[in-house]
Amino acid sequence: NAGVTQTPKFQVLKTGQSMTLQCAQDMNHNSMYWYRQDPGMGLRLIYYSASEGTTDKGEVPNGYNVSRLNKREFSLRLESAAPSQTSVYFCASRQGNYGYTFGSGTRLTVV
Amino acid sequence: DQQVKQNSPSLSVQEGRISILNCDYTNSMFDYFLWYKKYPAEGPTFLISISSIKDKNEDGRFTVFLNKSAKHLSLHIVPSQPGDSAVYFCAASGNQFYFGTGTSLTVIP
Repeated sequence: NAGVTQTPKFQVLKTGQSMTLQCAQDMNHNSMYWYRQDPGMGLRLIYYSASEGTTDKGEVPNGYNVSRLNKREFSLRLESAAPSQTSVYFCASRQGNYGYTFGSGTRLTVV
Repeated sequence: DQQVKQNSPSLSVQEGRISILNCDYTNSMFDYFLWYKKYPAEGPTFLISISSIKDKNEDGRFTVFLNKSAKHLSLHIVPSQPGDSAVYFCAASGNQFYFGTGTSLTVIP
């Protein structure tokens, strides 16, 4: 089915470990996004990529890096995980001014 | 600073009655608004949208109303069904989309 695929779905990290969250979309969308969702905070934008080859910081970029590998793939990297990065992470893609299509999320726990 | 606010964290409604979810925003430059629905362990899914040139958009049981002067939008679900129980996020578009904190709707059979 067409859509946004995120891997992994669940991950537990120790403080200081690194990991990369993968995201791929097959809808030929230009724009891709990484959000985190925390209780009482809604969805907050971490980084986005308006088109292949560009990335920009969102509202909460500290502690994260991203790579827009190609038009389909947009990865999010935590270089040194911290407990404050325990959250649910959503990747999304969008074309033009239409709404987002979201992935099913990655639940990350940093202990 | 939260640009999109959903002041009711939760709402309970009897099956068959109307559910009204509210959303307020602060930036008058926002020109496109959306509602998303989220079930546990799933990503948000698009529900309905409205452009700032309209004040109402309807899709089946779902209607979104926009009051630009009050910077307020609402989602009406009529009649409410148990399958509508989910968290609903509103979002507003400026140079990026800004999401509200969500309202958890429970429809009681």
